[in-house]
Amino acid sequence: NAGVTQTPKFQVLKTGQSMTLQCAQDMNHNSMYWYRQDPGMGLRLIYYSASEGTTDKGEVPNGYNVSRLNKREFSLRLESAAPSQTSVYFCASRPLGGDSGNTIYFGEGSWLTVV
Amino acid sequence: LAKTTQPISMDSYEGQEVNITCSHNNIATNDYITWYQQFPSQGPRFIIQGYKTKVTNEVASLFIPADRKSSTLSLPRVSLSDTAVYYCLVGDSGGGADGLTFGKGTHLIIQP
Repeated sequence: NAGVTQTPKFQVLKTGQSMTLQCAQDMNHNSMYWYRQDPGMGLRLIYYSASEGTTDKGEVPNGYNVSRLNKREFSLRLESAAPSQTSVYFCASRPLGGDSGNTIYFGEGSWLTVV
Repeated sequence: LAKTTQPISMDSYEGQEVNITCSHNNIATNDYITWYQQFPSQGPRFIIQGYKTKVTNEVASLFIPADRKSSTLSLPRVSLSDTAVYYCLVGDSGGGADGLTFGKGTHLIIQP
């Protein structure tokens, strides 16, 4: 029972390089999310996908793009990395409707450093 | 989008009961109240969720008054391993981003 799986776990990038963070969930959840967390701070929502084929901006979308490849996978792309994007990135998913409320399942995080 | 307010930090001692209160004055009729725990270098983990009155599980209790404008997470007999950041979220079960905005949470420190 893998839950939410993120790759890579650690990555160092040079300013201007691009990369994609991969996320997959095996719980058949409809909604998926990408958050970033800076040291000592709360989580900030970057992008989310309410269902396969749809994506929407969250609080801090600038500098990022996302793709909901299918129901399982939701990737986050940095086209031209900047030092301000140094952070821990968390992917999350949740079931839709019923009494699921705000039950969100998180991945283990991806530590990204931009130098 | 219901906003929440929590204390920035709290401390207590092993064996004590800890209560963390969250204010959510503009909670909507369909909103649930959910609490998460986050340890350093890990993603947040679901603790408990409720809609009204009291909910209890093996980890915690959640008290919600009739007006639902606040909620209290109660951790019985805490241990050092309960030192973590605790987040309160309010929102419905729809597929959007409602209720998924995390604040800074409450940093709980448990001392021996």
